[in-house]
Amino acid sequence: GAVVSQHPSRVICKSGTSVKIECRSLDFQATTMFWYRQFPKQSLMLMATSNEGSKATYEQGVEKDKFLINHASLTLSTLTVTSAHPEDSSFYICSARDEGLAGRWEQFFGPGTRLTVL
Amino acid sequence: AQTVTQSQPEMSVQEAETVTLSCTYDTSESDYYLFWYKQPPSRQMILVIRQEAYKQQNATENRFSVNFQKAAKSFSLKISDSQLGDAAMYFCAYRSAEEYGNKLVFGAGTILRVKS
Repeated sequence: GAVVSQHPSRVICKSGTSVKIECRSLDFQATTMFWYRQFPKQSLMLMATSNEGSKATYEQGVEKDKFLINHASLTLSTLTVTSAHPEDSSFYICSARDEGLAGRWEQFFGPGTRLTVL
Repeated sequence: AQTVTQSQPEMSVQEAETVTLSCTYDTSESDYYLFWYKQPPSRQMILVIRQEAYKQQNATENRFSVNFQKAAKSFSLKISDSQLGDAAMYFCAYRSAEEYGNKLVFGAGTILRVKS
């Protein structure tokens, strides 16, 4: 299957700082990427859908000024957590849409980024 | 809006035995996709199996098979000959087949423990 990478895998930052997480599709182009948040032993919560060259679509309840998403190329989307606070500590996962053959598109997931805000 | 329900927070199975994980969903659409994803301790999401709603035949992938009951809106996963490496959290997910249907709707997950 297609490969999606995330960087960094772990990040620890001080409260009030901003953190950028990168999501890359390594062997395919992705016009659409997704950002999820996951708390321990819970399901994935979709935060936003990122479309190349246009503004992201945020899910209800997700602060777009807090979680800035940029999808500037067909292989890269970034999530910036601005003015991070301890409650933003979580596991963030991205996925990318691979168009595949005959409309059978799939989402492939990155390995995730663990953010800890002190 | 579509919802996905996994009623088993945790399940255990003896190595080499068979286990079935349950999933039900609610939708008013007739065309959609259903998935089972595995999330091992590494937290990397892995697609286990995919089912297209218009196909009556149940999907199978080696030791993994599904029982898709469209009328009952049920989509269970059967793991045969369970292995230690099957221990993980399993998520059932729904996706609309409509053009706008980008989103995956996930269930709450089932933790599967495999005993040696």
